[in-house]
Amino acid sequence: DQQVKQNSPSLSVQEGRISILNCDYTNSMFDYFLWYKKYPAEGPTFLISISSIKDKNEDGRFTVFLNKSAKHLSLHIVPSQPGDSAVYFCAALVGGADGLTFGKGTHLIIQP
Amino acid sequence: AAGVIQSPRHLIKEKRETATLKCYPIPRHDTVYWYQQGPGQDPQFLISFYEKMQSDKGSIPDRFSAQQFSDYHSELNMSSLELGDSALYFCASSRGGQGYEQYFGPGTRLTVT
Repeated sequence: DQQVKQNSPSLSVQEGRISILNCDYTNSMFDYFLWYKKYPAEGPTFLISISSIKDKNEDGRFTVFLNKSAKHLSLHIVPSQPGDSAVYFCAALVGGADGLTFGKGTHLIIQP
Repeated sequence: AAGVIQSPRHLIKEKRETATLKCYPIPRHDTVYWYQQGPGQDPQFLISFYEKMQSDKGSIPDRFSAQQFSDYHSELNMSSLELGDSALYFCASSRGGQGYEQYFGPGTRLTVT
């Protein structure tokens, strides 16, 4: 049972435009959400996170939005750059627990 | 900035052998997490340690054990290896033992033949 779902295996966006990656979750015990970026043969790189008490967190080109009632979060990257091409994982954490629950990832391709 | 170090990066073992993976956290990080990522899968949490004590446990097989040492590095010991243990093993570290903002190492690719 996949508790964190990324329904788009891949996404293609033109350089300079906005990339929007989506993530849905089913476990209402999750109270912290993170986005990781992963290149081949490397470990996931932490990008940005959000607590369940907030609905938005911004860091430079990256903004994460959380809609608790819909159990949905999204990562916005603007403007998209060629170096953003990677697999993006959404992850969630139950309060008091240590183990992240990951989605299956979305492969973002930035086209010139 | 210093990152999480994992060794070895690649390891090939035969069935029923043992393997030891090592993880060196980011300086001043006191919490270590282990994850297993099978082919085409998302990372699955195995186990974590905070201040040298086991903190949380996920889907770690009984054949596996781990510990955190006084210098905060951690080792994952895997015995009676099976073909299905072939995977990428990631170590992550954080500060404060709360599981937030875990920083991942490059992974160890274990192949069991």
